[in-house]
Amino acid sequence: GAVVSQHPSWVICKSGTSVKIECRSLDFQATTMFWYRQFPKQSLMLMATSNEGSKATYEQGVEKDKFLINHASLTLSTLTVTSAHPEDSSFYICSARARQGAYEQYFGPGTRLTVT
Amino acid sequence: QKEVEQNSGPLSVPEGAIASLNCTYSDRGSQSFFWYRQYSGKSPELIMFIYSNGDKEDGRFTAQLNKASQYVSLLIRDSQPSDSATYLCAIDTGGFKTIFGAGTRLFVKA
Repeated sequence: GAVVSQHPSWVICKSGTSVKIECRSLDFQATTMFWYRQFPKQSLMLMATSNEGSKATYEQGVEKDKFLINHASLTLSTLTVTSAHPEDSSFYICSARARQGAYEQYFGPGTRLTVT
Repeated sequence: QKEVEQNSGPLSVPEGAIASLNCTYSDRGSQSFFWYRQYSGKSPELIMFIYSNGDKEDGRFTAQLNKASQYVSLLIRDSQPSDSATYLCAIDTGGFKTIFGAGTRLFVKA
């Protein structure tokens, strides 16, 4: 149980284009989903927290107009990187909480984004 | 002071030994404590969580929590080369956000 998928697993795009990453909870309904970014050999950096049906809460320093998050249903959240630049190249990982009151997070496999 | 502190390592142990990973935290209101394992190039995987003081065992893994000392640890018995990874300590203070440590790299020598 508690399986989270992400799609795509890797993507290469040109500078200035937009990329959408999907995160799905496959066998549970996720009340809360999280988006992280991780640069090589660095720790996880929380970008935003999203609850189904409401606007995402972004961490300080994360541009909400650049990283658009939509939590359309209890099983799907999307992250769109708009007007991507090479410095946006990173490993993007989503996670989900399985139920209300639970604090453990289950992570998706991640999406490696390379912007050329 | 960082909210969750871990020694970055690498911690090197021989195969079959006990690996001991430590984590300290600053918020006394922290309620839930987690250990995640992250292999290079992969996403984190939840391996243990603990809410109460004391020990919690699951197979070769034992999590230990001491709230008075604001300390949580993970013991890996009979360490295997496949245990070589970065181990992330994570703390939840009761809100929506989980705070992750920077991780300790473990290397198990065959």
